[in-house]
Amino acid sequence: DQQVKQNSPSLSVQEGRISILNCDYTNSMFDYFLWYKKYPAEGPTFLISISSIKDKNEDGRFTVFLNKSAKHLSLHIVPSQPGDSAVYFCAASMTTDSWGKLQFGAGTQVVVTP
Amino acid sequence: DAGITQSPRYKITETGRQVTLMCHQTWSHSYMFWYRQDLGHGLRLIYYSAAADITDKGEVPDGYVVSRSKTENFPLTLESATRSQTSVYFCASRGTLYVEQYFGPGTRLTVT
Repeated sequence: DQQVKQNSPSLSVQEGRISILNCDYTNSMFDYFLWYKKYPAEGPTFLISISSIKDKNEDGRFTVFLNKSAKHLSLHIVPSQPGDSAVYFCAASMTTDSWGKLQFGAGTQVVVTP
Repeated sequence: DAGITQSPRYKITETGRQVTLMCHQTWSHSYMFWYRQDLGHGLRLIYYSAAADITDKGEVPDGYVVSRSKTENFPLTLESATRSQTSVYFCASRGTLYVEQYFGPGTRLTVT
């Protein structure tokens, strides 16, 4: 049973507009969340993270929002650029897990069009 | 080059053969992980390790074996490959202080 869900397999957005990627989780023990970006034939690269003690974290064009009561997080990319075309994975972790295992969603393919 | 590397990058093998995928990291990270990526499933954890000779099963360990005799290496062996093990395999590592994992470039494995 997937504990981290990305219900939109794909997203198309125009260059310069906002991309919003969504992620839901079911396990209330998750308290640290990450977004990874993946280009074809490459490994995922870490993008941004957020702890459950915060509801927002920004890094340049990327902002992650966390709504703990709804068990929902979202990644906003503003403005979207052609180089943002990639698959984005949401991941969740429990800081009580000393191994630091990550539970990943199925990914969202983002295509940024000119 | 520093970082995390995987070999081979591409592999085709036959059903029933044993295959070993290699992972090497130069950061001296304690924790290492193996994932497989399949359409619709994202990344699923196969095995993980906290240090040399300390390993444990992840979500989908059946048919796989790992070893970790040295901190920097974490090979994954498919003892008798099956077509359902056709996938892209990623190795990752992380340091002690951070949750973020850093991934290798992946191995695309095809079992015929």
